[in-house]
Amino acid sequence: EDQVTQSPEALRLQEGESSSLNCSYTVSGLRGLFWYRQDPGKGPEFLFTLYSAGEEKEKERLKATLTKKESFLHITAPKPEDSATYLCAVRPLNQAGTALIFGKGTTLSVSS
Amino acid sequence: DAGVIQSPRHEVTEMGQEVTLRCKPISGHNSLFWYRQTMMRGLELLIYFNNNVPIDDSGMPEDRFSAKMPNASFSTLKIQPSEPRDSAVYFCASSFDGSYGYTFGSGTRLTVV
Repeated sequence: EDQVTQSPEALRLQEGESSSLNCSYTVSGLRGLFWYRQDPGKGPEFLFTLYSAGEEKEKERLKATLTKKESFLHITAPKPEDSATYLCAVRPLNQAGTALIFGKGTTLSVSS
Repeated sequence: DAGVIQSPRHEVTEMGQEVTLRCKPISGHNSLFWYRQTMMRGLELLIYFNNNVPIDDSGMPEDRFSAKMPNASFSTLKIQPSEPRDSAVYFCASSFDGSYGYTFGSGTRLTVV
């Protein structure tokens, strides 16, 4: 069964304290790994897509990396406005069409 | 573009009542997805449409749930009869071939009492 597991469930950081979020996946084959940000009361917002091991994408203080079994979202010198839930999703090879399977997310809190 | 538009934002209903959730996808997007989000289970795919045709409805929990997409600009998710365990946030999302990720709506928070 295709699965996505994110850790930790929750992470508290001080402003400027860099860290990483983990997304482990078990799929028959990967057609893409996606990262989303979700703020309270809102829908998830697309951040990155990664397609192959070794690929990296960056956006401001965020950098996503991908290996054959997991992905990391690195947060460098975070600010309070980075506080949100970060969701990881995969598109398995055997999944018809373009549907995604999501992990439960990591809730990040950054205090000043 | 106004993004994906969902209505209502909040719905409180009594057990046994019919509930209809609505979604207007982004113009030009050819895929539409309905997801349900709870604390326990996270985001779960209920059904998705491609070019207005249902492709995968294996996530629809029971026959009480049904979804339609009569045209490219409108979709509904209906629950009849509703039960307290249906309480969740329901999201609609759309994409064009999905390569660049989905665009989600703001969701409908459903409470069944």
